Amino acid sequence: IAGITQAPTSQILAAGRRMTLRCTQDMRHNAMYWYRQDLGLGLRLIHYSNTAGTTGKGEVPDGYSVSRANTDDFPLTLASAVPSQTSVYFCASSRDSGDSGANVLTFGAGSRLTVL
Amino acid sequence: KNQVEQSPQSLIILEGKNCTLQCNYTVSPFSNLRWYKQDTGRGPVSLTIMTFSENTKSNGRYTATLDADTKQSSLHITASQLSDSASYICVVSVFSGGYNKLIFGAGTRLAVHP
Repeated sequence: IAGITQAPTSQILAAGRRMTLRCTQDMRHNAMYWYRQDLGLGLRLIHYSNTAGTTGKGEVPDGYSVSRANTDDFPLTLASAVPSQTSVYFCASSRDSGDSGANVLTFGAGSRLTVL
Repeated sequence: KNQVEQSPQSLIILEGKNCTLQCNYTVSPFSNLRWYKQDTGRGPVSLTIMTFSENTKSNGRYTATLDADTKQSSLHITASQLSDSASYICVVSVFSGGYNKLIFGAGTRLAVHP
């Protein structure tokens, strides 16, 4: 089934540890995104990639890094996790990053991260 | 400041009843407005997308309306089913800085009871 796969589904880690959340899509979408979802808030964009080899900062990029070595994979790394990064992280993709009403985002199932 | 406000925050209805969820936005320049459904423990799934020139769009029992003048949108659910229990998220799109920036509302949590 075409879509986005995120791993791990959930993780608990100690503050200061390094963590990478994995995201893979098989739809050959050009654009990919990482969002975090916190209780009572709308999803907020962390980083994005319009196409393989390029990345950009979103609304809340501090403490996170991404890479886009190929079309399918878009990992999110927390170099040194802090408790405020406790959240649910969603990876998403779209056909492209253009201003098209048909440019629908497809989301993964999310990765629940708890930093103690 | 670009904002998307949704109301009510939560809603409980009986199976078979209709309901309407509201979305007000202050985003400018407006590109398009989307409604997503998010089941518990899952990622959001797109229901409708409307550009500024569209007033209404339906997807089965879901009908979204848009008034670009008053910057308001609504999502009407007809003949609700237990499977409609979810969070419904209003998202307004702005094309800015080289990417399609989406402003997400906090969502309305709908519970449909038998």
